[in-house]
Amino acid sequence: NAGVTQTPKFQVLKTGQSMTLQCAQDMNHNSMYWYRQDPGMGLRLIYYSASEGTTDKGEVPNGYNVSRLNKREFSLRLESAAPSQTSVYFCASSWGETQYFGPGTRLLVL
Amino acid sequence: GENVEQHPSTLSVQEGDSAVIKCTYSDSASNYFPWYKQELGKRPQLIIDIRSNVGEKKDQRIAVTLNKTAKHFSLHITETQPEDSAVYFCAPRGWAGSYQLTFGKGTKLSVIP
Repeated sequence: NAGVTQTPKFQVLKTGQSMTLQCAQDMNHNSMYWYRQDPGMGLRLIYYSASEGTTDKGEVPNGYNVSRLNKREFSLRLESAAPSQTSVYFCASSWGETQYFGPGTRLLVL
Repeated sequence: GENVEQHPSTLSVQEGDSAVIKCTYSDSASNYFPWYKQELGKRPQLIIDIRSNVGEKKDQRIAVTLNKTAKHFSLHITETQPEDSAVYFCAPRGWAGSYQLTFGKGTKLSVIP
């Protein structure tokens, strides 16, 4: 039981490049989330998916898109990366109230 | 949206002493109040939570207390140990049925051996 997995672990992008962060869970959870974590800012919700087939904006959605590919997978896409998107990105999933986090992706945009 | 404030932002205690972190929230409809712990370089993990129909909950050395009238809840850690050193986040949920937790900015706890 791997829980929540994320790829890649670390990525360096140049301004304007695009990339997709992948997240998968094997706990049969309905809900999945994408957060970003910046120093001194806690975790801020980017997008979430309450169930397969639905996605909704969180607190900081600008510059991002998401896809809930199936019940297991929830991807986050940066179409045109900006230095302000340098951050650590965490995916999470939940069945009830408890959210289980992945190990994170550290993204550096130059 | 929910406004969440945590205090203090940093806390240093001697090993064996107690630590208390307070979280204040704004939404009176909030009904679920978790605390997450994040060790350096690791993922956040739930350590304890409480619901609005309960005033206090304990799990070994950690406890959470809730004051719904004043809209705050607190994390209490007794007999602190070096492995308690981490960043702690409160994350109240705005209303029943919501999927969104609003995280505080975190409290960095350092336990000095």
